[in-house]
Amino acid sequence: DTGVSQNPRHKITKRGQNVTFRCDPISEHNRLYWYRQTLGQGPEFLTYFQNEAQLEKSRLLSDRFSAERPKGSFSTLEIQRTEQGDSAMYLCASSLTIGTPMGYGYTFGSGTRLTVV
Amino acid sequence: AQTVTQSQPEMSVQEAETVTLSCTYDTSESDYYLFWYKQPPSRQMILVIRQEAYKQQNATENRFSVNFQKAAKSFSLKISDSQLGDAAMYFCAYRSGTYKYIFGTGTRLKVLA
Repeated sequence: DTGVSQNPRHKITKRGQNVTFRCDPISEHNRLYWYRQTLGQGPEFLTYFQNEAQLEKSRLLSDRFSAERPKGSFSTLEIQRTEQGDSAMYLCASSLTIGTPMGYGYTFGSGTRLTVV
Repeated sequence: AQTVTQSQPEMSVQEAETVTLSCTYDTSESDYYLFWYKQPPSRQMILVIRQEAYKQQNATENRFSVNFQKAAKSFSLKISDSQLGDAAMYFCAYRSGTYKYIFGTGTRLKVLA
């Protein structure tokens, strides 16, 4: 297992276009998280899944954003009708909650950097 | 709502010296966890150290240690014998029962040769 993988690493898109990012978590991890990180800020929570169920969504996740985790494996994050304010690093992370203490940390991916021009 | 504050946007340290990064947080909960993550340029975030709020003993991981002051809601990171590879953004993070993190704005650490 090579850790959490995110694709693409970089994406440049024109305003108004739709984009989709993919995250492949560590295979045995049951939880998957999406965070957004803008320049000079710490990551902000967007949403998380336990297996295939999306359990929580931040109010930052407008109706233009949708995330899925079919079959509890990989996840996709789609942004429709992109705006310049969507430019950010989108981070995915995964964790195992079964049989691990709550204080166990996440494993992060390297992120997808989105630039909307 | 919980908040995490890192008041040092940037810090510098000479190689082999010791540096302390500050973090304060605010919460009304009694059971939570605190973390320091390292984010090298263009690379993934890596867990450096974690502290359970119910433990009085400060966590230590090799050259990294924390000073956890629960009453003051302070959680600083000390890096001893700094190395060039320690240069990165460091984020302080809080987590409670929901498993989601609240991150600070980060401190950029520069290590001078």
